[in-house]
Amino acid sequence: DIQMTQSPSSLSASVGDRVTITCRASQGISNYLAWFQQKPGKAPKSLIYAASSLRSGVPSRFSGSGSGTDFTLTISSLQPEDFATYYCLQYNTYPYSFGQGTKLEIK
Amino acid sequence: QVQLQQWGAGLLKPSETLSLTCAVYGGSFSGYYWSWIRQPPGKGLEWIGEISHSGSTNYNPSLEGRVTISVDTSKNQFSLKLSSVTAADTAVYYCADDRNWGQGTLVTVSS
Repeated sequence: DIQMTQSPSSLSASVGDRVTITCRASQGISNYLAWFQQKPGKAPKSLIYAASSLRSGVPSRFSGSGSGTDFTLTISSLQPEDFATYYCLQYNTYPYSFGQGTKLEIK
Repeated sequence: QVQLQQWGAGLLKPSETLSLTCAVYGGSFSGYYWSWIRQPPGKGLEWIGEISHSGSTNYNPSLEGRVTISVDTSKNQFSLKLSSVTAADTAVYYCADDRNWGQGTLVTVSS
């Protein structure tokens, strides 16, 4: 199985900051990587697919990059509504697998 | 806009079978894979498995032998059954496609 390792596990930042979350796959997954945002008590929301393609309706301050084993999610200027937990998902190889999550908190 | 609405029993006893159904509204049912994902309280997400509109399935081996996903194309619905549940199966269960998620169902296993 492919292991997805996110870092950091938690992150404190301020409104307006630029933040980057990393996801590393235990083996190459091409660009079959998605990012999700989850707020407490809610279902995850799809942000990015194919490593760097932004879902319709997602603000352009979100961006993704990477290929192979190393991927990043960047939020260029944090907004109050961005404080949440973020997960990566690899969908290159069965069983699909998520990272453990990165909790983004207000500093 | 595609919407997924799910339902099923929320409280089970150990050894019982979990059964959830997800209905897809507002979009095409064909040509997609439909997934089940779960999240234990306070923990991360686990992919359970998926089914295509034609009935082709892929399961997480960690659950294989206990999990069955089925589809009813006449109703645009797909279902999850997980047998022999234990407390470790307590989680919020979600149905999803590649961008849309159901509202989640908390399933608690307790004697």
